[in-house]
Amino acid sequence: ILNVEQSPQSLHVQEGDSTNFTCSFPSSNFYALHWYRWETAKSPEALFVMTLNGDEKKKGRISATLNTKEGYSYLYIKGSQPEDSATYLCAFAMYSGGGADGLTFGKGTHLIIQP
Amino acid sequence: DSGVTQTPKHLITATGQRVTLRCSPRSGDLSVYWYQQSLDQGLQFLIQYYNGEERAKGNILERFSAQQFPDLHSELNLSSLELGDSALYFCASSVYGTDNSPLHFGNGTRLTVT
Repeated sequence: ILNVEQSPQSLHVQEGDSTNFTCSFPSSNFYALHWYRWETAKSPEALFVMTLNGDEKKKGRISATLNTKEGYSYLYIKGSQPEDSATYLCAFAMYSGGGADGLTFGKGTHLIIQP
Repeated sequence: DSGVTQTPKHLITATGQRVTLRCSPRSGDLSVYWYQQSLDQGLQFLIQYYNGEERAKGNILERFSAQQFPDLHSELNLSSLELGDSALYFCASSVYGTDNSPLHFGNGTRLTVT
């Protein structure tokens, strides 16, 4: 059973502040690491898919980094806005010969931006 | 809107019954995935299809089965339902069906077994 851990479980941040949270995953047989944003009453939406050690991805005020050797990824949000309130999920893909073995999701970090 | 359509949105049924959940993938996507989210659990991978063929299998119970049809829509069949099968079932789709492709999720089917 693959272990994908996200911390913290929940986070309250003041509007305008920057924040970050962590996804930990196995450091062996790495294939890909996904980040999704899941807003209440909506479906999870893909933010990033990262495949290379040292990868950095950016989308507006949100960015992510990847360290496959030590098995962690950080998601950063700069200048938090109320619309950033959501659950952020990471998902790990282990290398398999066929390139498809299913993603293992963490339980998410629930982010609440306070005005 | 992700372009992935799931029906029905809600389903309430009794233990021992059988239900079918339906999913239409985003236009152009060849692969369909099924995930289950139970209370306090992360999304659990059940099964994946690519262009009509089973591609990967996760923690899917023997009471559950799925298929992908020639028009690429997929159905998840859940039989001999138990209380513990109550969950949110998501369908997702992707273009290439590899684990480095982003998933596009539907809005889910909320199944309640009473």
